[in-house]
Amino acid sequence: KAGVTQTPRYLIKTRGQQVTLSCSPISGHRSVSWYQQTPGQGLQFLFEYFSETQRNKGNFPGRFSGRQFSNSRSEMNVSTLELGDSALYLCASSRTANTGELFFGEGSRLTVL
Amino acid sequence: EDQVTQSPEALRLQEGESSSLNCSYTVSGLRGLFWYRQDPGKGPEFLFTLYSAGEEKEKERLKATITKKESFLHITAPKPEDSATYLCAVQADGNKLVFGAGTILRVKS
Repeated sequence: KAGVTQTPRYLIKTRGQQVTLSCSPISGHRSVSWYQQTPGQGLQFLFEYFSETQRNKGNFPGRFSGRQFSNSRSEMNVSTLELGDSALYLCASSRTANTGELFFGEGSRLTVL
Repeated sequence: EDQVTQSPEALRLQEGESSSLNCSYTVSGLRGLFWYRQDPGKGPEFLFTLYSAGEEKEKERLKATITKKESFLHITAPKPEDSATYLCAVQADGNKLVFGAGTILRVKS
């Protein structure tokens, strides 16, 4: 059974650019959550999608956005990148929404120069 | 505001030396407490869910317990392959997970 797949695994951007990250959940999982992981702040919740609807949102600026498609695949976008956006972005999937039992991907490592 | 504090930040054990990791939490309306393991360069891997004080869960050399204010992850006779960062998270009203900073465990043979 394939796990959660995130692409790209690594990317380098410059300040002011935008970036789109992709996540394919485990087959049959309809909920996708996104987290940001940094050494200073740890794991922080960005948002959760279920059946193409955003169910929950963390305390991040509007530059961070996401969406979910009908096949449950999800994308997140960060516009006008700042140096502080450098982080590991983790996607997690689950069969249902509002559960803490998540299956994480290996993440997309974003470096902003 | 929901808060999760894990201690110690780092722990070094000899193979076979049992110990415990602590997760203290402050949350309104706890819906669940979760333990994850994260290896370097990987995403977190789910280990346990605990819902209420007194509950215990076990898996191989790991045992998780919970009280009204904290949870413990007990590691019995650890092996080098147990080396990882162990993360604790709580789910409260609003459903999002709030993670602690983690405990980095290193087990030497």
